[in-house]
Amino acid sequence: GALVYQYPRRTICKSGTSMRMECQAVGFQATSVAWYRQSPQKTFELIALSTVNSAIKYEQNFTQEKFPISHPNLSFSSMTVLNAYLEDRGLYLCGAHWGSAETLYFGSGTRLTVL
Amino acid sequence: GDQVEQSPSALSLHEGTGSALRCNFTTTMRAVQWFQQNSRGSLINLFYLASGTKENGRLKSTFNSKESYSTLHIRDAQLEDSGTYFCAASVNTGNYKYVFGAGTRLKVIA
Repeated sequence: GALVYQYPRRTICKSGTSMRMECQAVGFQATSVAWYRQSPQKTFELIALSTVNSAIKYEQNFTQEKFPISHPNLSFSSMTVLNAYLEDRGLYLCGAHWGSAETLYFGSGTRLTVL
Repeated sequence: GDQVEQSPSALSLHEGTGSALRCNFTTTMRAVQWFQQNSRGSLINLFYLASGTKENGRLKSTFNSKESYSTLHIRDAQLEDSGTYFCAASVNTGNYKYVFGAGTRLKVIA
């Protein structure tokens, strides 16, 4: 069956440092990958959407300078949180679609703690 | 503004009982998904609907695009159903953008 693997599951970084998280589609080729953040006590916010053959589109309040995303092929995507601060803590999820299906399948998330 | 209004925000159910969660949309949505977030934070896919009703075990979901709402019914609730449930709707803009509701925190008690 189709799986979306995301790693690391949790990470701790010092304030002002950066951390990278990865997302891998196994068993299918992801037509698009979406990165979301769930801040403490909040719902999921879309950070950016990366679709094959299109530029990565960032949502308001999120920028490429802060959250650079790499989507080199149809099964892998990575996102970095640069200069992480307290407000960046939360659960980061990647979700992937395949083919024409609109169902979004999520990885297990990367929980970021900033000290 | 907020495009997905989810209610209730919290719900307690005794084992064996049931209830419904609801998401209202303030704009036309193409599809809706329902997820359960477990204690580890992972999102578990429950349903994807572009229209109509789907049923899976003790869960049933409906999506009415014309009237801009979706529901998730839980019957015969079990302890393992506890968690936070989210609806996410696909905005009708030709891409795969999903907007999440605020979530319903469900607690099933013995």
